[in-house]
Amino acid sequence: EAQVTQNPRYLITVTGKKLTVTCSQNMNHEYMSWYRQDPGLGLRQIYYSMNVEVTDKGDVPEGYKVSRKEKRNFPLILESPSPNQTSLYFCASSPQGRNTEAFFGQGTRLTVV
Amino acid sequence: GESVGLHLPTLSVQEGDNSIINCAYSNSASDYFIWYKQESGKGPQFIIDIRSNMDKRQGQRVTVLLNKTVKHLSLQIAATQPGDSAVYFCAEGGGSARQLTFGSGTQLTVLP
Repeated sequence: EAQVTQNPRYLITVTGKKLTVTCSQNMNHEYMSWYRQDPGLGLRQIYYSMNVEVTDKGDVPEGYKVSRKEKRNFPLILESPSPNQTSLYFCASSPQGRNTEAFFGQGTRLTVV
Repeated sequence: GESVGLHLPTLSVQEGDNSIINCAYSNSASDYFIWYKQESGKGPQFIIDIRSNMDKRQGQRVTVLLNKTVKHLSLQIAATQPGDSAVYFCAEGGGSARQLTFGSGTQLTVLP
């Protein structure tokens, strides 16, 4: 089954404790991205990757890092989480980038206390 | 930056009626538009897309209309069913944009 898998689905952590949210896709898509979803603000892109070893900032990259060492994986790293990063996070992949449909993961609900 | 907005944050319709969800976009250079459906606890799911060289596209029970003159996009759902209850997002892309820009969503509730 074609899918985008995120882990964990839920995470509660404390301020400053580094964490990683994993994302994996099995569709051989070149383009992957991370979004955060906040009430009233919709989906905002954090980072995206056009291909292996190619990443770029989205609209809200501050406080986040990503890496793309393999085509299928695109982890999101919070080096020092803060409460304003409490949000619902989605990973997405698409075959050709920004002008094609994106397939989304199920989401990761992160709470930073 | 450019933004995508929705006219109504909530919409309630009777089961069996048609639903129309509207979206206004402001980037005249956008040439690709998508509608997503997001059910509670799930990620957004692709419904239908349309490119700027078209003004209408139909899918199964859904139709997207694009009016480039007034920069307006709508999603029509025929014979709305309880399973259609969800948040619907429009997104725009293309032109000089590096990525899709999403609207804040409309909550569709189907009444029995």
